[in-house]
Amino acid sequence: EIVMTQSPATLSVSPGERATLSCRASQSVSTSLAWYQQKPGQAPRLLIYGASSRATGIPARFSGSGSGTEFTLTISSLQSEDFAVYYCQPSNNWPQTFGQGTKVEIK
Amino acid sequence: EVQLVESGGGLVQPGRSLRLSCAASGFTFDDYAMHWVRQAPGKGLEWVSGINWNSGSIGYADSVKGRFTISRDNAKNSLYLQMNRLRAEDTALYYCAKGMGAIGAYAFDIWGQGTMVTVSS
Repeated sequence: EIVMTQSPATLSVSPGERATLSCRASQSVSTSLAWYQQKPGQAPRLLIYGASSRATGIPARFSGSGSGTEFTLTISSLQSEDFAVYYCQPSNNWPQTFGQGTKVEIK
Repeated sequence: EVQLVESGGGLVQPGRSLRLSCAASGFTFDDYAMHWVRQAPGKGLEWVSGINWNSGSIGYADSVKGRFTISRDNAKNSLYLQMNRLRAEDTALYYCAKGMGAIGAYAFDIWGQGTMVTVSS
């Protein structure tokens, strides 16, 4: 089973600033990596798949990069609606275990 | 409109069983793998189980293996999760999610709103 480790656990950012979230896999997943956003009381929403492809309707301020075991989600200029918890997930094989999440909060 | 609607959750005693259902609409159900993901109160996401388009490949998390059974009925556009020998640690909001492909592992592009399962005496 691939273990996904996200850092930091909490990221305090001011609106308009850049946020950089990290995800590390315990073994290579190539570019089979997805990122999700979850707001309180809502279901998760797919942001990025294939490590760098934005899902339908996702704003361009969200970008993903990386391959192998190291991945990054960047939010170029944080908007008020971006404060949420973000999860990474491998999509190369089952089980598709999620990372523990990074909470992006208002600084 | 593409939609997944879960049902079947509730309060159940430890050791008992429960069957969750997920009704899909707005897309060709039998073109895609489907999954169950759960989230315990205040915790992160946990992948529970997945099933490919024709039920030919099925996977489970170690935490539920041997107790839970995933199935689908493509004629009814429905996904199911039979949960037996329930434990307190199975208490969670259970989400149904659609994979982006038919076979194997893909990102989950559509999610339901979840159904709550509470295991308590």
